[in-house]
Amino acid sequence: EVQLVESGGGLVQPGGSLRLACAASGFTVSSNYMSWVRQAPGKGLEWVSIIYSGGSTYYADSVKGRFTISRDNSKNTLYLQMNTLRAEDTAVYYCARSRVAIGYFDPWGQGTLVTVSS
Amino acid sequence: DIVMTQSPDSLAVSLGERATINCKSSQSVLYSSNNRNYLAWYQQKPGQPPKLLIYWASTRESGVPDRFSGSGSGTDFTLTISSLQAEDVAVYYCQQYYSVPPYTFGQGTKLEIK
Repeated sequence: EVQLVESGGGLVQPGGSLRLACAASGFTVSSNYMSWVRQAPGKGLEWVSIIYSGGSTYYADSVKGRFTISRDNSKNTLYLQMNTLRAEDTAVYYCARSRVAIGYFDPWGQGTLVTVSS
Repeated sequence: DIVMTQSPDSLAVSLGERATINCKSSQSVLYSSNNRNYLAWYQQKPGQPPKLLIYWASTRESGVPDRFSGSGSGTDFTLTISSLQAEDVAVYYCQQYYSVPPYTFGQGTKLEIK
């Protein structure tokens, strides 16, 4: 079964850091295009970052320079390092696979909540 | 960036009736070389992640009931639920994957029972 499980969310103070993880099963992370998408409380979906199978990475303007996407092939796990966190980064963070290259997202993980507050 | 705009923001439909959600992109998401529209629809129920319903604007995902259908081309798209069931109460999002990154989503349409 193809599955994604996120972890690492929690409460962090403004300016702090957090690293999210997304463990994959049923497929190989490094052979796929993998994204992070977030959803602020009561709001819509916002794409955050993607890592291509070849290793190229891209970010939304709102997180560029603060967030870093990466993967560990040996652990078949995707990561999102989040630095200099702001209150507006508070959201549920989902990882998702692009089914075809840069295409639509399936599956999605269950999400992990990040709360940035003092 | 391509802006996706859904209408309406919320919708109340009686059980067994038709529900229609519209999605408009700020530029065409039709790739002329393969005649495919790079548009997907997702369903999100409370406390759950989004679930893929439709891709390539009109291809239903495996396991999705056939009361769900997608149509449209270029810049205007529609998600139709032919006969609303109680379990269809959710927020629905459209997404373009034509010009990425960034991927962009519509703001969502909340579907309720009248």
